[in-house]
Amino acid sequence: DSGVTQTPKHLITATGQRVTLRCSPRSGDLSVYWYQQSLDQGLQFLIQYYNGEERAKGNILERFSAQQFPDLHSELNLSSLELGDSALYFCASSVVWGGGYEQFFGPGTRLTVL
Amino acid sequence: AQSVTQLDSHVSVSEGTPVLLRCNYSSSYSPSLFWYVQHPNKGLQLLLKYTSAATLVKGINGFEAEFKKSETSFHLTKPSAHMSDAAEYFCVVSLDSNYQLIWGAGTKLIIKP
Repeated sequence: DSGVTQTPKHLITATGQRVTLRCSPRSGDLSVYWYQQSLDQGLQFLIQYYNGEERAKGNILERFSAQQFPDLHSELNLSSLELGDSALYFCASSVVWGGGYEQFFGPGTRLTVL
Repeated sequence: AQSVTQLDSHVSVSEGTPVLLRCNYSSSYSPSLFWYVQHPNKGLQLLLKYTSAATLVKGINGFEAEFKKSETSFHLTKPSAHMSDAAEYFCVVSLDSNYQLIWGAGTKLIIKP
């Protein structure tokens, strides 16, 4: 158990809908990262927050957005969903945002868009 | 620009034989390098990391990796494979500018009985 929690574990929804994925980092970690893992694209970094502020952006679509709240939990919002958004979404946390620091991963949320 | 290349998408070895998963990186400065493992239907876990200390890094479950600057490589090895090592392995390099991590495409390790 990494100490990072993600809810829900599974989500099934229809095209065009909007969903919110939630992540609680390990106690004491200030940085949160979101990743998307699909069969055809592999593991893709989406976005990183540090202490409530956006720090880095990866391959995140404009239909997707995220935020980190004062209690350090984070939410990833996916809207106008398409079939291709079906994937495993991971959240990770680390103490700070530096590159030498280990990221601890949550179990993931499996999103299925029908 | 920084990048990381895992040279094999799949590696198949027999149980009890050595494992070699290859990773080459491109980085302007001394990078931080990591290997993460993902077991089937599980999240990712850090195996080991290199952050400019000893060039031979020991990780969990008997894995180790050697940082070779002249070859820009960070290959992962294990002397004797176990069935429980079957998983996907990711090589990761830290970006110099903003410490963003660049992930390799992954190598699936298959262990034959």
